Amino acid sequence: DVKVTQSSRYLVKRTGEKVFLECVQDMDHENMFWYRQDPGLGLRLIYFSYDVKMKEKGDIPEGYSVSREKKERFSLILESASTNQTSMYLCASSLSREGRGYTFGSGTRLTVV
Amino acid sequence: AQSVSQHNHHVILSEAASLELGCNYSYGGTVNLFWYVQYPGQHLQLLLKYFSGDPLVKGIKGFEAEFIKSKFSFNLRKPSVQWSDTAEYFCAVRGGYALNFGKGTSLLVTP
Repeated sequence: DVKVTQSSRYLVKRTGEKVFLECVQDMDHENMFWYRQDPGLGLRLIYFSYDVKMKEKGDIPEGYSVSREKKERFSLILESASTNQTSMYLCASSLSREGRGYTFGSGTRLTVV
Repeated sequence: AQSVSQHNHHVILSEAASLELGCNYSYGGTVNLFWYVQYPGQHLQLLLKYFSGDPLVKGIKGFEAEFIKSKFSFNLRKPSVQWSDTAEYFCAVRGGYALNFGKGTSLLVTP
């Protein structure tokens, strides 16, 4: 069964900390994505990557960065966590440039205190 | 950028009632449209998708959606809902590499 695995289900971090969220897929997908999900706001795209070492900003990249050193791994970095980054973070991957058929991870619930 | 809007944020239905969730998209050209579902505590799953061809698309668990180009709509339907359909439903449109999601509709089905 194909999978997108997010390293943590729940995280609690302090304001100002540097936070790493990890995502690994085992499907050899080219495209990987990071979204945040907030009640009433749906899913908003933070960053995506269409190849190793390639990255593109999404709709809300401020305060975030990403790293994709290997095809299977896509990391989201909160440079200095703030309380307004408390959210559910979802990683997804897809096989082709057309973005067909995302596979989602289970999500990481991040709380910044 | 392509975007979608979902009309209903919260829907409450009784079991066996019919369901229709509205979705409108902004782009007038070729579109790829999706409906995803998120059951409580679970990850997002693809319900169905439209790329081309027959505008009536059938998905999993008895769901279907109709693409109406003239109305820029892609509404999700199910003739008879079950308690297990309680979930959040998201419409999405492809914009370049990524999908743009609507704000979601929370569906509660009561026994």
